Amino acid sequence: NAGVTQTPKFQVLKTGQSMTLQCAQDMNHEYMSWYRQDPGMGLRLIHYSVGAGITDQGEVPNGYNVSRSTTEDFPLRLLSAAPSQTSVYFCASSPDQGRTNYGYTFGSGTRLTVV
Amino acid sequence: KQEVTQIPAALSVPEGENLVLNCSFTDSAIYNLQWFRQDPGKGLTSLLLIQSSQREQTSGRLNASLDKSSGRSTLYIAASQPGDSATYLCAVSTGANSKLTFGKGITLSVRP
Repeated sequence: NAGVTQTPKFQVLKTGQSMTLQCAQDMNHEYMSWYRQDPGMGLRLIHYSVGAGITDQGEVPNGYNVSRSTTEDFPLRLLSAAPSQTSVYFCASSPDQGRTNYGYTFGSGTRLTVV
Repeated sequence: KQEVTQIPAALSVPEGENLVLNCSFTDSAIYNLQWFRQDPGKGLTSLLLIQSSQREQTSGRLNASLDKSSGRSTLYIAASQPGDSATYLCAVSTGANSKLTFGKGITLSVRP
């Protein structure tokens, strides 16, 4: 049982490049979400999904795109990278949107630098 | 809008001390509150989760309490050790889609 797996762990992009951050979970969780963590700002919600085929915006969605074609995978796409997107990105999942005893499980993060 | 506050931002204590980390939130209509630990450059590890109907949860040397009506939670760490040095994050689950709102964390340093 691997939990929540994020790839890559580190990435350097040039301004304007696009890329996809991968997130996969093997716990059959319906709810998945993406956060970014910045110094002094804490963790902020980018996008989330309550199930396959359903996604919605969080607090800071601009510049990011998501889709959810399967229960297991929830990739985050940067359409045209900007230095302001330099951050650490975390993917999280929950079986029930965090409403009961299970809470959220987080991946180990992707550290992204945009130059 | 839910806001979560953790004060102070940093704390340094000698080994062996019992300590309390505080968390406050503005909207008491929460589903649960979760305490996480984050080591430098690492991901988030869940420590304890308290349901809105519960008052406290315990795991080893850790005890978390919840007073929903006053919008407060505390994480009690007994007999602190240098290995407890990390950032401790508090997060609450609220709203129609149970979004998780985080505090900015308390960075704890336990001196040998």
